[in-house]
Order: sequence, then C-alpha cells, then structure tokens
Amino acid sequence: AQTVTQSQPEMSVQEAETVTLSCTYDTSESNYYLFWYKQPPSRQMILVIRQEAYKQQNATENRFSVNFQKAAKSFSLKISDSQLGDTAMYFCAFMILRFGNEKLTFGTGTRLTIIP
Amino acid sequence: EAGVAQSPRYKIIEKRQSVAFWCNPISGHATLYWYQQILGQGPKLLIQFQNNGVVDDSQLPKDRFSAERLKGVDSTLKIQPAKLEDSAVYLCASSLDLGGTGDEQYFGPGTRLTVT
Repeated sequence: AQTVTQSQPEMSVQEAETVTLSCTYDTSESNYYLFWYKQPPSRQMILVIRQEAYKQQNATENRFSVNFQKAAKSFSLKISDSQLGDTAMYFCAFMILRFGNEKLTFGTGTRLTIIP
Repeated sequence: EAGVAQSPRYKIIEKRQSVAFWCNPISGHATLYWYQQILGQGPKLLIQFQNNGVVDDSQLPKDRFSAERLKGVDSTLKIQPAKLEDSAVYLCASSLDLGGTGDEQYFGPGTRLTVT
C-alpha cells in the first residue's frame, strides 16, 4: 500500500518570503506521479504542480517548484515570493500509473497562512 | 469550460436518515471519482468510475453507501442509513483519462454533510 506523509500540519510565513512544504511517500512501485494540490478556504481544490517519477528534472510552475528526491522518497514544494492568495491547505498526493485505474492517495495536508 | 458541479453544497441530517449527492463532471471526462474528506484529513477515494463502469470501489462502505453513474455522465452517491462518522465533505472529481498519463483531476466544490 502507498502512504503519503506531510509532517507539518501548519505553517505561516510573511508575505514575499519563501516557504517549503515537506512530503514523503512510501511505495514499491517505479512508475508513478506526484502532485501538490491547493485547497483555499471554502473553495475547490486545484492542481499546483505535477512531477513524473521518471523525470530527474524538478518541475516548476511560476513561483512554485518542487525538490524531488526519488531515492529518499521525498517531494517538497517551494513557494517563492509568497502572496496572500497562497493561503490554503496544501495536499501532497501520489498516483500509481495503471491504465484505467489511476487513483490519488493524499497526505493529511499542511495549512499554510501568509501573513500580510 | 464549465467546472465540476455538485449539489447540494450543504446538508444536515439526523443519524439513520438517508441522503444523496449529485455530481456533474466536466464534459467529455471519462473518469469520475467520489472522495470523502473528514475534517483534518486528506481526501480518501470512495469510488472511481470509468464511463459508467466501476473501476475501484474497494474503500466504499457498501453496507450503507452506493453510487451510480448514469449513461457515463452524471453521478449520484447515496448514504443509507447515515452514521455520525459520515460527517465529512464529499468531493467529486473528474479527469479526461487518456490512460497512463497521470491526468489532472478536476475537483468540484464539495458537499458538506453534517450528521447529528
């Protein structure tokens, strides 16, 4: 069974600072994807960034980047120049690639607050 | 492009009553997911449909939960009878499902169920 662990239940940073959210996972599979999803207060969950396990290059999306360490099974999210709109729950998630049965396994989330 | 629609947004019922949730996925999305998100936890997959067939319902409490996806489009999740521990947000998500590509899942706003 796959597990995803987020060890930081809550974090807060000042606006414009950089923050890193941690995620570790456990699997014996070799072919998988990792995701960070954002769930703003009272709003729906949206994808922030995605990483294919076979790619060594870390994914980036504007101010968001990941540090993917496959051997250590670590997948952290870095948010640069944080903005008030980044305040949300952030979930790390794991997906095994199986045709027709690709389900997400989520961590427990990190509540991030950006302080003005 | 219209997003994933869910209704109702909120529901309060007494234990042992029944309740139904409705989901309309993004047009053209073959795969539909129902997740249960208990307060303080990450979403947990209840059931996954591909078109109108069930792919994975291993974590669906089948003695009280049921789900169907009519004509491979809309879906309904039912709980009968409800228990206190069913209090949660029920999220519906859909994906295009190109197979083996780690498709992004698009989430609806969720239905917050309170069982008293």
